[in-house]
Parts: sequence; C-alpha cells; structure tokens
Amino acid sequence: EILMTQSPASLSVSPGEGATLSCRASQSVSSNLAWYQHKPGQAPRLLIYGASTRATGIPARFSGSGSGTEFTLTISSLQSEDFAVYFCQQYHNWPPYTFGQGTKLEIK
Amino acid sequence: EVQLLESGGGLAQPGGSLRLSCAASGFTFSTYAMSWVRQAPGKGLEWVSDISGNGGSTYYADSVKGRFTISRDNSKNTLFLQMNSLRVEDTAVYYCAKGGLGRIPFDCWGQGTLVTVSS
Repeated sequence: EILMTQSPASLSVSPGEGATLSCRASQSVSSNLAWYQHKPGQAPRLLIYGASTRATGIPARFSGSGSGTEFTLTISSLQSEDFAVYFCQQYHNWPPYTFGQGTKLEIK
Repeated sequence: EVQLLESGGGLAQPGGSLRLSCAASGFTFSTYAMSWVRQAPGKGLEWVSDISGNGGSTYYADSVKGRFTISRDNSKNTLFLQMNSLRVEDTAVYYCAKGGLGRIPFDCWGQGTLVTVSS
C-alpha cells in the first residue's frame, strides 16, 4: 500500500496571497496523482488529475506539478471560496487507492 | 450535470447491518466504474470498494473485505453498499464517487451519508 503524506497539516493565508501545498508518496506513483478540494458538508471536488491537468471548470489559479514521489498544488491569489481542506490521492497502484491526510487552508 | 446522491445512512449497533444507496444522474451510469470512499471523524479519506460498469468486477479494502458488498442496478442508475457485521470503527461519512477500477481519478462525488455504529 502506498502511503501519501501531506504537508503542512494546516496553513493560514490571507486572501489575495498564494499558497503551496505538498504531497509525498512512499513510492513512485508516476503522474497518477489527483488533488481534491473538500468543504464541510459538501461533496469533494476534483481539482487536478495526472499531477498537473486541471479538471473541467477549475480556475487557472489552481496548478499542480511534480511526478514520481513529490507533488505540489499551488493556488495563486486565494479567493474566499478557496478556503477548504485539500487532499491528494494516488491512483497508480490499486487496490487500494490511498489519500493523504489533508491540508486545511484557513483564512489568516 | 452529473449528480450523485447517497442515502441509507443512520445509526446501527455493532454487529448490525445497513444498506447504502447512491442515485446517479447526468451520465451513462452503466459505462462507468463506481466507488465508495469513507471519512471517519477527524480522519482522512479511505477508499472502501469499487465495481465495474457491468458489475462483474469488484474490489474491497482489507478493512471491509468479507463484511461489505458493493453492487449496482444499471436499470435504476443506482449503486449500493451492503454493510454487515458493522464495527464501531466503521463510523464515517460514506461517499459514492464516479470512477475507479484502475488508473482513474474520482471525477464526481456525492455529498455523503453518515453512518454511526454505536451501542
């Protein structure tokens, strides 16, 4: 089973600033890495797949990078609606799919 | 618009059973693998199970193998999760998600249904 580790666990950022979230895999997942945004009481939303491809309808301020074991989600110029929990997920080795523990992005 | 709506959650006793449903709309349900993912209180997401479009292939997390059964009714665009021999540690919000069964991300999720296992 591939272990996914996210850092930091939480991040406080002011609106308008940028944020960088990290995700590390315990072994290579190639580019089979997705990022999801999750707000309380709502359905998780796919942001990025293939490590760097934005899903349909996702604003360009969200970008993903990395391959192998190290990945980054960058959000430029944070909007109020961006404050949420962000999860990474590997879909390279299945079963099982595995997720990181999440990064909570909070308003500073 | 793709929509997934879970139902069937609630309170169950340890050793009891529950059956979750997920009603799908906005896409050709029978052509897509579907999955269940759960999130225990204060924890991260955990993949539970997935099923092929025709229902012929199913996979389970070790934590639920032998206790949970995933199935689908393509005539009703509905996904199911039969949960037997429930344990306190099965307490979680259960999400259905479109995708799975290989190198495929989950491109649509439902809002989830809460399952609480407690005596």
